[in-house]
Amino acid sequence: DIQMTQSPSSLSASVGDRVTITCQASQDIINFLNWYQQKPGKAPKLLIYDASNLEVGVPSRFSGSGSGRDFAFSISSLQPEDVATYYCQQSLTFGGGTKVEIK
Amino acid sequence: QVQLVQSGAEVKKPGASVKVSCKASGYTFTSYAIHWVRQAPGQSLEWMGWIDAGNGHTKYSQKFQGRVTITRDTSASTAYMELSSLRSEDTAVYYCARDPSTTAAVHFDFWGQGTLVAVSS
Repeated sequence: DIQMTQSPSSLSASVGDRVTITCQASQDIINFLNWYQQKPGKAPKLLIYDASNLEVGVPSRFSGSGSGRDFAFSISSLQPEDVATYYCQQSLTFGGGTKVEIK
Repeated sequence: QVQLVQSGAEVKKPGASVKVSCKASGYTFTSYAIHWVRQAPGQSLEWMGWIDAGNGHTKYSQKFQGRVTITRDTSASTAYMELSSLRSEDTAVYYCARDPSTTAAVHFDFWGQGTLVAVSS
């Protein structure tokens, strides 16, 4: 089974900061990597699919990049409403999550 | 608009079974797969299995093989997930999610609101 290592597990940043989360696969997964946002008590929401494709309706401050084993997710300018836990997903496996807070 | 609406919270005793429903609307039910994902308190997301809503084909995580059954009723546009031999570790929120991909690039574009299943004696 492919393992997904997501880091960091949590981060704190100021409004307007650029935030980056990484996800590493245990083997080459081409570009089969997705990113979700989950707010407390809510279902996950798809933000990025196939590594870099922005889901319809998702703000352009969210972006994804990478291929092979190494992937990154960024928020270009952190907003208060972005406080959430973010998960990467490869096929049927999810990363451990990154909790994003405002400093 | 696409919606997945799940059944309400359940409290079960160890050893019992639970069946959670997921009613789809706003799209052609048989054209997409439905997956089930669970989330234990404070934990990450864990995939359980999926069903091709068109032909009924299923695939389950090895972890739940033998305990989970996913079915669908096309006339009701509803998918079901039944988990048996419940134990305290099965306490979690259970989600259904739609998969729009037609290749190995699985992703979930719409999710149900989640169903809390609590297992306690």
